[in-house]
Amino acid sequence: SQQGEEDPQALSIQEGENATMNCSYKTSINNLQWYRQNSGRGLVHLILIRSNEREKHSGRLRVTLDTSKKSSSLLITASRAADTASYFCATVSSGTYKYIFGTGTRLKVLA
Amino acid sequence: DARVTQTPRDKVTEMGQEVTMRCQPILGHNTVFWYRQTMMQGLELLAYFRNRAPLDDSGMPKDRFSAEMPDATLATLKIQPSEPRDSAVYFCASGLVGGTEAFFGQGTRLTVV
Repeated sequence: SQQGEEDPQALSIQEGENATMNCSYKTSINNLQWYRQNSGRGLVHLILIRSNEREKHSGRLRVTLDTSKKSSSLLITASRAADTASYFCATVSSGTYKYIFGTGTRLKVLA
Repeated sequence: DARVTQTPRDKVTEMGQEVTMRCQPILGHNTVFWYRQTMMQGLELLAYFRNRAPLDDSGMPKDRFSAEMPDATLATLKIQPSEPRDSAVYFCASGLVGGTEAFFGQGTRLTVV
């Protein structure tokens, strides 16, 4: 399977704490994206990092990319109860621009 | 407010019946994806179109599944005959070539009994 792996599978933290999720992948990529999914709904795009970038910020989100290790991490700072959701990484392959999603991390933020 | 529209939202059908799911991509988007989501397998890419031409359907069981884009405003995913193991949420997503953001529909929850 080309599917990426994410860890942890599930994460439970207190409001105000930081949440870190990791993604490992197998193929050569054009970029890597992170998405959020609320229960039973479609995925929503959060942030994109290109293969020649190492770090990107957007609001409370920080994404890192290490292409030598084929891995990425998503950090959500000062988490809120509303951040409770599943988070997926998606690798976009070079050339074909095919989107392959990881297995996801279920984040629960306790108020 | 541009969005990807999927119909139906929910579908319950008996084993052996044909199921057709429809997707209206965002106007102007030239890339369309079909994904299947289950607890066990996560999000699996079933088919991928660019400018209405199928680029990759290697993730799709060929004997019972078919995906088409009759025109730029409609993508369809058909299962014939359906089986209980096809029960899942099916998502359509659209975007622009170049691998930027993919926009997802709300999904079709399929239950085959």
